[in-house]
Amino acid sequence: DAGVTQSPTHLIKTRGQQVTLRCSPKSGHDTVSWYQQALGQGPQFIFQYYEEEERQRGNFPDRFSGHQFPNYSSELNVNALLLGDSALYLCASRGTLDSPLHFGNGTRLTVT
Amino acid sequence: GQQVMQIPQYQHVQEGEDFTTYCNSSTTLSNIQWYKQRPGGHPVFLIQLVKSGEVKKQKRLTFQFGEAKKNSSLHITATQTTDVGTYFCAGQVGNQFYFGTGTSLTVIP
Repeated sequence: DAGVTQSPTHLIKTRGQQVTLRCSPKSGHDTVSWYQQALGQGPQFIFQYYEEEERQRGNFPDRFSGHQFPNYSSELNVNALLLGDSALYLCASRGTLDSPLHFGNGTRLTVT
Repeated sequence: GQQVMQIPQYQHVQEGEDFTTYCNSSTTLSNIQWYKQRPGGHPVFLIQLVKSGEVKKQKRLTFQFGEAKKNSSLHITATQTTDVGTYFCAGQVGNQFYFGTGTSLTVIP
């Protein structure tokens, strides 16, 4: 029973570029959330997808967008990268709205 | 906006000593969850508290949810080196989780 898988594990980009991160939820989970975790900080909620639609959004600019596919996998896209976007991006899935979050290992994004 | 604060930010203890981290929310939570993140790892779910005043135990770990459902604590008795990591609370408001700032625990053998 595979857990949450994310790719790639590490990524280095230049300011102004665009990036796409990918996530496959745990088997049986249909809700996917994305979090940004800066060094030494707690995860900050970006948005949540359910039934292929963005259902909730945190305090992130429109440069951050996402998508959920019919198989429940998800992508996070960030345009016009800034140095401050450097962080660990975590994907989390859950089966119901009250159940715990299951996190992937994350994608470490470095913007230079 | 919604904020969840945790104290202390860092804690160094001798192995065998106790450890407590406190979590406070600016608004009432529907539930609170606790996660542990090892260095270089991802958050791993520990427990969920739902009821006002609820107390749950997992071996040496004791979790409490305040009567007003705005605060919570995690207490570890007789810490071990395997307890090293950052402990986060995550409060649920609506469909969204708000993570605390985390408490980084170092256990000195």
